[in-house]
Amino acid sequence: DAKTTQPNSMESNEEEPVHLPCNHSTISGTDYIHWYRQLPSQGPEYVIHGLTSNVNNRMASLAIAEDRKSSTLILHRATLRDAAVYYCILRLRIVTNAGKSTFGDGTTLTVKP
Amino acid sequence: DGGITQSPKYLFRKEGQNVTLSCEQNLNHDAMYWYRQDPGQGLRLIYYSQIVNDFQKGDIAEGYSVSREKKESFPLTVTSAQKNPTAFYLCASSIDGSSYNSPLHFGNGTRLTVT
Repeated sequence: DAKTTQPNSMESNEEEPVHLPCNHSTISGTDYIHWYRQLPSQGPEYVIHGLTSNVNNRMASLAIAEDRKSSTLILHRATLRDAAVYYCILRLRIVTNAGKSTFGDGTTLTVKP
Repeated sequence: DGGITQSPKYLFRKEGQNVTLSCEQNLNHDAMYWYRQDPGQGLRLIYYSQIVNDFQKGDIAEGYSVSREKKESFPLTVTSAQKNPTAFYLCASSIDGSSYNSPLHFGNGTRLTVT
């Protein structure tokens, strides 16, 4: 299965932009890149996803490398509420067509006031 | 509001007992998933179901069983055969299992402690 690699932790100052990287060098052509974030003792929350082009929504932006082997989640102005574990995952297409996804250990983002 | 409800939030059991975790969704999603999360680690897939009356093993299915008799419900049974059952269990759903373009929606989990 294709895997993702993320830094264990990152720090940011409040109201500054944050760039969270993700490597997925074995991604296949039909895999979508998804980002989720998780607060302690809660379920993950969907943030954004994309295939090839950069994507924007109200929460964040997703920049995807031209070769699709890496991507970056961009939080334009970090707030204290953005402190969470961020997961980059690939929504895989397998033989049975199920949307099987593999989660790594994620990046713990700390936001300093 | 539509969403996924997992109950109970905390569950305690004695070793050797089977226990069933509830997961209900009112999002009208076809696909549902069960994940396990251990402290400081990511999520590992236990079972998933693309449609009613069908389910597939994930990466760590041993010691677990599921059923999918209704679209809204996907209960997970942790059997006595699961060697390390203490963990945080998360249920998720997506519009359909074949559309990897569709986001996963998660419940808020059940924390199971077996002593």
